[in-house]
Amino acid sequence: KNEVEQSPQNLTAQEGEFITINCSYSVGISALHWLQQHPGGGIVSLFMLSSGKKKHGRLIATINIQEKHSSLHITASHPRDSAVYICAVRGDGSARQLTFGSGTQLTVLP
Amino acid sequence: EAGVAQSPRYKIIEKRQSVAFWCNPISGHATLYWYQQILGQGPKLLIQFQNNGVVDDSQLPKDRFSAERLKGVDSTLKIQPAKLEDSAVYLCASSLAGSSYEQYFGPGTRLTVT
Repeated sequence: KNEVEQSPQNLTAQEGEFITINCSYSVGISALHWLQQHPGGGIVSLFMLSSGKKKHGRLIATINIQEKHSSLHITASHPRDSAVYICAVRGDGSARQLTFGSGTQLTVLP
Repeated sequence: EAGVAQSPRYKIIEKRQSVAFWCNPISGHATLYWYQQILGQGPKLLIQFQNNGVVDDSQLPKDRFSAERLKGVDSTLKIQPAKLEDSAVYLCASSLAGSSYEQYFGPGTRLTVT
């Protein structure tokens, strides 16, 4: 079993829809990251969370430490949101490396 | 502020050939990471440097992969000889000082081994 599981793997939505991407993890963490990867490979950090909820524009990220679960929400989705969204967790041990999920491919149709 | 630079962006080689990738991190960032991202998967850490020292290379296939950061600034990752399963995007990232700081990623090098 992977330490970080994302769902769904692929998601197609119509422009304007509310989108939710889920991330579950099985290890103790010090922080959870949501990343966006566009075609061509570049990765951009969207959020870093250790508790509660963060909002940036149309993006909202939440985390439930007890349930080891996080969600990324996109309100009023737009075709430019089409990308791969990756959840990554930072361990709470001495190493503190990032462990990545396999990503969710989001396609927003006009 | 300039971001993380990588070159080349794309490389196609035949199996058993050698290849090298270059990364220049953000100025002042002490920590540099090399990741391998196979299609459909998340990135996997290959090696982490703190200045010119190796912090973690536990997942680096040392029989064929090598990396160096001699002056604690830019870094090269080499594969010799390449195998078909090495086809992937190789991502370089840097952070200010250690794993607790946000990582900034380069555009990646897409390697195809035929």
